[in-house]
Amino acid sequence: DSGVTQTPKHLITATGQRVTLRCSPRSGDLSVYWYQQSLDQGLQFLIQYYNGEERAKGNILERFSAQQFPDLHSELNLSSLELGDSALYFCASSVGRGGSDSDTQYFGPGTRLTVL
Amino acid sequence: AQSVAQPEDQVNVAEGNPLTVKCTYSVSGNPYLFWYVQYPNRGLQFLLKYITGDNLVKGSYGFEAEFNKSQTSFHLKKPSALVSDSALYFCAVRGYTGKLIFGQGTTLQVKP
Repeated sequence: DSGVTQTPKHLITATGQRVTLRCSPRSGDLSVYWYQQSLDQGLQFLIQYYNGEERAKGNILERFSAQQFPDLHSELNLSSLELGDSALYFCASSVGRGGSDSDTQYFGPGTRLTVL
Repeated sequence: AQSVAQPEDQVNVAEGNPLTVKCTYSVSGNPYLFWYVQYPNRGLQFLLKYITGDNLVKGSYGFEAEFNKSQTSFHLKKPSALVSDSALYFCAVRGYTGKLIFGQGTTLQVKP
């Protein structure tokens, strides 16, 4: 158990809908990262938050947004869902901003999103 | 651009034999390299990392990895494979902002 929790484990929804994925980092970790795992794209970085502020953005669609709250949990919002958004979404956390020797990312169990 | 490549989609090995899962990297500057393992319906579990220092890095579950700067490789190894090691293995390099850039993954199949 990495200490990173994600809810829900599974999500089935229809095209055009909006969903929210939740992540709680390990105790003491200030950074939260979101990744998408799909068969065709592999594991792709979406976005990083550090202590409530957006720190880095990857290949995140405009239909997707995220935030990190004062208690450091994070939510990833996916809207106007398309079939191609079906994937496994992982959250990871690390203690610092991500650039120090001690910054190892620990991953949650993921949320499997199925868009029908 | 920083990248990693895992040249083998699948590696098959018999239980008790040594295993190697290959990874090569392309970075400017000093690389920060990682190995993660993903079991079915589970998240990624951290195995080990190379930051600096010894070229042989020891990690969890008896795994180790050898960093080779001249060959830009970071191969994952284990002296004696177990059936329970069967899983999907990812090599990753850390990007400038801390994000991880992953290889495509290698499925390890250990047969009894």
